[in-house]
Amino acid sequence: DTGVSQNPRHKITKRGQNVTFRCDPISEHNRLYWYRQTLGQGPEFLTYFQNEAQLEKSRLLSDRFSAERPKGSFSTLEIQRTEQGDSAMYLCASSPGNQPQHFGDGTRLSIL
Amino acid sequence: QKEVEQNSGPLSVPEGAIASLNCTYSDRGSQSFFWYRQYSGKSPELIMSIYSNGDKEDGRFTAQLNKASQYVSLLIRDSQPSDSATYLCAVNDGRTGFQKLVFGTGTRLLVSP
Repeated sequence: DTGVSQNPRHKITKRGQNVTFRCDPISEHNRLYWYRQTLGQGPEFLTYFQNEAQLEKSRLLSDRFSAERPKGSFSTLEIQRTEQGDSAMYLCASSPGNQPQHFGDGTRLSIL
Repeated sequence: QKEVEQNSGPLSVPEGAIASLNCTYSDRGSQSFFWYRQYSGKSPELIMSIYSNGDKEDGRFTAQLNKASQYVSLLIRDSQPSDSATYLCAVNDGRTGFQKLVFGTGTRLLVSP
């Protein structure tokens, strides 16, 4: 069990650029979740995959955000035309079925 | 808006004391309750899960759940300086069939030597 892996750990980009983050869940975890956390707040749910199917998206996930999980393994989260308000820690979690979620180390996004 | 409320703290306790962390939630449909520990700059780490009313003990940690009062707590016995962190309470969104978690803002715990 190698844990949930997220890359990159830190991304610095200019406003208006596109960024993509990757999450590799714990092996055989069929459920994968994306959350966003800003300073002083708890994580906020963004989206959820069961295998390759994206089953729910939060209203927080504007049209500039897209997530995929091809083949039900790793997942990517892309943000297009980044804005200052997108600066946050993006957390990925996975679980086997309806079991507790385990989080990766996150990707910290900084928008200049 | 489903809410999870926690006192932001900091909660300061001396080493060896019992730390008591509390959480209330608004969604009566919630069935799963979790405590995560988060060190500064790190990701949340699962400490406890609880699904039924009553107490659940794991080592120095005890989670308590009272669904009627919509109240969850975490007790940390024999607190250590290494327990100093932010503790996040999370409950599942009872509307969904999966574990969509709603988090509180966390309680910062400081354990002094």
